[in-house]
Amino acid sequence: GAGVSQSPRYKVAKRGQDVALRCDPISGHVSLFWYQQALGQGPEFLTYFQNEAQLDKSGLPSDRFFAERPEGSVSTLKIQRTQQEDSAVYLCASSFRVVGGGNTEAFFGQGTRLTVV
Amino acid sequence: GENVEQHPSTLSVQEGDSAVIKCTYSDSASNYFPWYKQELGKGPQLIIDIRSNVGEKKDQRIAVTLNKTAKHFSLHITETQPEDSAVYFCAASHGNNRLAFGKGNQVVVIP
Repeated sequence: GAGVSQSPRYKVAKRGQDVALRCDPISGHVSLFWYQQALGQGPEFLTYFQNEAQLDKSGLPSDRFFAERPEGSVSTLKIQRTQQEDSAVYLCASSFRVVGGGNTEAFFGQGTRLTVV
Repeated sequence: GENVEQHPSTLSVQEGDSAVIKCTYSDSASNYFPWYKQELGKGPQLIIDIRSNVGEKKDQRIAVTLNKTAKHFSLHITETQPEDSAVYFCAASHGNNRLAFGKGNQVVVIP
């Protein structure tokens, strides 16, 4: 498809389990972002990639959260030893941003709803 | 960091009336202000955006205004329709593409 694709759509994890969330950005998009959206709240920034380089990971809430984009396209957000407070929708977004350029439109995927029980 | 506040939290309007949502931001360096619409079970969808060198932008029934001095911007939806019912988020960014979102505004259009 032409949009940002995320999988799985829903994930139920037992507390302490590790999970991996996948994001397929729009082809050719340089920038990729992960956001966390708690119920009834706006998305909160987690991390940002420009191609394969992780330029900003200041929003990751703890060292249990890890993201990678090894070939500059598909990205994976991994959460180790999940806790109940990790329950949220995890959104991925991509944009075509020329290095040194200004902001461009960010396209969001449908998100992965993670429930930790 | 940037702090974006959004008011009101819920807005109900009669079909055909106008809806206005206001946001304020804290970082004077912010220069990009998008508005997103999010329907239940879907990701946010960009509906309009404005940059700091422009005071107003319009796209059919949707318009956004920006007041840099007061650090606030507003979304205006005219001739509302039932399909406009959704949660609307404002956001702000200053050149690094990292978006700071407001908490969202539930708009309900009453037929």
